[in-house]
Formats: sequence, C-alpha cells, structure tokens
Amino acid sequence: SAVISQKPSRDICQRGTSLTIQCQVDSQVTMMFWYRQQPGQSLTLIATANQGSEATYESGFVIDKFPISRPNLTFSTLTVSNMSPEDSSIYLCSVKRGGDEAFFGQGTRLTVV
Amino acid sequence: QKEVEQDPGPLSVPEGAIVSLNCTYSNSAFQYFMWYRQYSRKGPELLMYTYSSGNKEDGRFTAQVDKSSKYISLFIRDSQPSDSATYLCAMSGIGNSGGYQKVTFGIGTKLQVIP
Repeated sequence: SAVISQKPSRDICQRGTSLTIQCQVDSQVTMMFWYRQQPGQSLTLIATANQGSEATYESGFVIDKFPISRPNLTFSTLTVSNMSPEDSSIYLCSVKRGGDEAFFGQGTRLTVV
Repeated sequence: QKEVEQDPGPLSVPEGAIVSLNCTYSNSAFQYFMWYRQYSRKGPELLMYTYSSGNKEDGRFTAQVDKSSKYISLFIRDSQPSDSATYLCAMSGIGNSGGYQKVTFGIGTKLQVIP
C-alpha cells in the first residue's frame, strides 16, 4: 500500500477564489491522479500527473480550471480556480505502485459558498 | 449506458448476515477488478484486487469475477457493524506496452450493518 497525505482535509471557500490542494506520498511514484467525487456520482478522473511533463486532462476538465503541478516523484498539487458552488465536491489524490490497483488519500472536502 | 453499473443502495442487513454486492460492466477490455471500501469522510481503501475471471478470498471477503457475464461480486460473510460503509467497484484494462489504463468506478453501494 501507500501512505498518501492530503491537505487541507476540508475547506469552505468564497466563489471566485482558488484553492490549492496538496498531495504528499511516502515514497516515489511515477503516476499520480486527481479525482473528483460528487454526491450521487462515481469517482471521476480529472487528470493524470506525471513528473517532468504536463498533466493529462480527461474530457470535461481543462488546465485553466484545474492547474496541476508535479515538481517531484512524491508530491503534487491540484488548484481549483475561480470556484463556483458547482465545484463543491470531494477531491482525491491517488497513486499506483507498479500494479493496477490505485491507492487514495483521505480526500479534501470542498464547499464553495 | 454507463460503463460500470452499481446499485447505490442503501442496503441494510442484520449483523452476521452474508452481504452480496454487485457490479455489471459493458467494456470487454476490462481485465483488472477492484473493490474499495469508503467510510464516511474518508478516502477509498482498497479491499480486493483480482485479475481476469475467478474467485479471490481474503478473510471474510470474497471477490468473484465472471467475465463472460461482465459481472463482478463482493461477498462479505458474518457482516459486522464496522463493515458499514460505501463499497465501490472499480475496473481497468491493460495498457499498451504495459502502460497505464484509466480506472473506472461504480457509483458505490452504501451498506449498513445493523447490530
């Protein structure tokens, strides 16, 4: 397994502002992933973050809205920009370690008011 | 049609019951199948991981994959109140040259085990 720490665990933000979520892994991993989990919906992949290259975004997600950094093999950030109430969700960082099973952080519960 | 279908529940069972959780899928390329448990206000925790068809057992948990029917199941024996959580199925294919394939999740089934 992997130990994945996410910060903050929760936040309440004003619309129009931005929030940066941090993800720290206890050992080096090649691929890190950011997911969104909205009420009543399945986990949705936002983007894949590889160290040394630009993140790859899934359909419906764009870099201007969800910029991602991956400065090294143990750390990544996701920024939710120009937030609206529709961005209220749980955001989850995930990693894979050689196999195909994914491991998750505890999530960041975001409420936009 | 969603790639992965899962009944969201909620499912309520008495303590000690056998619980059966299921998912169906449409993508025949899926080869890896996972079950996650998610407690309230926590991230998903990997429970079971299987490759292709067959059964896998781990303690009170048994995962079954029937690729011919595109149907996977998770059985929980002697269910406990501590098993109360949301259970998500997840699956992925084999990437080109062993590379990454996206994991697709079910919506999750909320389980409550009543003492």
